[in-house]
Amino acid sequence: GIQVEQSPPDLILQEGANSTLRCNFSDSVNNLQWFHQNPWGQLINLFYIPSGTKQNGRLSATTVATERYSLLYISSSQTTDSGVYFCAVDKAAGNKLTFGGGTRVLVKP
Amino acid sequence: NAGVTQTPKFQVLKTGQSMTLQCAQDMNHEYMSWYRQDPGMGLRLIHYSVGAGITDQGEVPNGYNVSRSTTEDFPLRLLSAAPSQTSVYFCASSSPAGVDTEAFFGQGTRLTVV
Repeated sequence: GIQVEQSPPDLILQEGANSTLRCNFSDSVNNLQWFHQNPWGQLINLFYIPSGTKQNGRLSATTVATERYSLLYISSSQTTDSGVYFCAVDKAAGNKLTFGGGTRVLVKP
Repeated sequence: NAGVTQTPKFQVLKTGQSMTLQCAQDMNHEYMSWYRQDPGMGLRLIHYSVGAGITDQGEVPNGYNVSRSTTEDFPLRLLSAAPSQTSVYFCASSSPAGVDTEAFFGQGTRLTVV
């Protein structure tokens, strides 16, 4: 099956700092999603981005499908950005997602 | 739209007991899936369904049964609970391969087996 690796595993930021999270995957995909798991365990959809670039407020994501990686950018981080960020991929539809191990982010005030 | 709704949110079972985790979606999605998340890890696929009457196994299916009698509902059954099934369970729904296959997740069920 597809292998998904996320880096770094842990990230500590000062409020206001910028950061980049990376997701590498081992095969071509038709679905790639970024999620934020908040401290209450809820999975929040950030981006559906099998290719290209998208932006949503302070967050943006870029997927380079031909090179099999995706990047999530967090700008001007806030304490509410704390949590775990997951990348997940699927070769076909979005019903058999393979998740990476996540990046645990802590934003300090 | 409520999206994907899971019940219950929390459950404690004794070893050997059985139970059903409920999942319902109101987005008319054909595809539904169950995942489990163990501490410090990403989610792993248990079972999935591509439509009513059609189910298949994922990465970690042992100890779980599913059925899909309607488009909206996809229950997960634990036949004889074991401590190794202590986990957080997530249900998801999505559309078939096409323009947009974004998956949406329920809020999770935290299960403890003692």
